[in-house]
Amino acid sequence: DQQVKQNSPSLSVQEGRISILNCDYTNSMFDYFLWYKKYPAEGPTFLISISSIKDKNEDGRFTVFLNKSAKHLSLHIVPSQPGDSAVYFCAASGGGTSYGKLTFGQGTILTVHP
Amino acid sequence: NAGVMQNPRHLVRRRGQEARLRCSPMKGHSHVYWYRQLPEEGLKFMVYLQKENIIDESGMPKERFSAEFPKEGPSILRIQQVVRGDSAAYFCASSPRLSVAGENEQYFGPGTRLTVT
Repeated sequence: DQQVKQNSPSLSVQEGRISILNCDYTNSMFDYFLWYKKYPAEGPTFLISISSIKDKNEDGRFTVFLNKSAKHLSLHIVPSQPGDSAVYFCAASGGGTSYGKLTFGQGTILTVHP
Repeated sequence: NAGVMQNPRHLVRRRGQEARLRCSPMKGHSHVYWYRQLPEEGLKFMVYLQKENIIDESGMPKERFSAEFPKEGPSILRIQQVVRGDSAAYFCASSPRLSVAGENEQYFGPGTRLTVT
């Protein structure tokens, strides 16, 4: 049962344009959401998070939007840079389990072309 | 400020042997989490530990797998009698405090890639 889904396995974007990565979840009890970036042969790096009491959180070039009614969140990267090319994972916590458990999506490979 | 340390980075074991994976959390962090990533999949939660306590082991396989985080020293994930299906990347993460609602950033190590031959 995949409770967090990233339906786009890959995304290709031109440098300077906006990258939009999407994530859907099924468990309405999730109340905290995170985005991680991962390079090959490295561990995930925390990017940005959002609590369910908010609908937007911004940090530099990264903005996360949360639509609780649609059970959908998205990560916007503006402007995109070639160094942003990586696998992006969304994750959720809460959901009736311990808050230590993060449930991850399958990941989206972002490629930013110069 | 050193990040989460994991060793070894690569580990090769034959079927039936034991694998021991070590994780040292970030300085000041007393909570450790283990995740497993199979090829072409996302990370799957295994266990959440505090010093000398297991908080949540709901993702641990019932047999052959165990984890500890002693008062002194690193956290250890132990896999006994490894099988080919155990081949994966194992990631450790840490956080400075108990994970509560609305506050759960975890910081990951580089992972240990286990190959079972």
